[in-house]
Amino acid sequence: QKEVEQDPGPLSVPEGAIVSLNCTYSNSAFQYFMWYRQYSRKGPELLMYTYSSGNKEDGRFTAQVDKSSKYISLFIRDSQPSDSATYLCAMIKNTGTASKLTFGTGTRLQVTL
Amino acid sequence: EAGVVQSPRYKIIEKKQPVAFWCNPISGHNTLYWYLQNLGQGPELLIRYENEEAVDDSQLPKDRFSAERLKGVDSTLKIQPAELGDSAVYLCASSAKAGTSGSNEQFFGPGTRLTVL
Repeated sequence: QKEVEQDPGPLSVPEGAIVSLNCTYSNSAFQYFMWYRQYSRKGPELLMYTYSSGNKEDGRFTAQVDKSSKYISLFIRDSQPSDSATYLCAMIKNTGTASKLTFGTGTRLQVTL
Repeated sequence: EAGVVQSPRYKIIEKKQPVAFWCNPISGHNTLYWYLQNLGQGPELLIRYENEEAVDDSQLPKDRFSAERLKGVDSTLKIQPAELGDSAVYLCASSAKAGTSGSNEQFFGPGTRLTVL
């Protein structure tokens, strides 16, 4: 069983919809939680990161972490065609030193006009 | 500021041939990572460098893969000989020295897409 599970999709939504992307994890040692966006034939780019449980908002994006359930979410409001990409969750078990990112498989999102 | 640079972007080789990938990290970033990304999967760490020292190479298949980071800047990842199963995207990433950012953000290059025939 993988440490981080993510539904690969694809997920197709109309423009303007609210998108919910989720990951579950099995190791309670994960402390930092990230969401990366990866466009086709590009490298991943960091969208948001959160530490421990709670919410973090940045424009149309909200990241949510529930450590008690080992569940993280990324919400995208007013989705745009330019949001069409693969979204990868990633986690780190400790910080202070360069630490290993453990990625989910990624969810492919398509926002249609 | 330039991002992480990788070359070549695409490489097609016959099996059993050698291949090398090059990475130039963001200026001033001491930590460099090589990742392997298979189709439909997330990146998996192959090796991490702190300056010129490989501090985590536990996932690197050392029978055929090797890497170096001379002078603690550019890095090269080599496969010899390549196998059909090595077809994937090889990503390089870099991050600032530990402790300078709370998330220790890793910045990724565009990757090298390898096809082994």
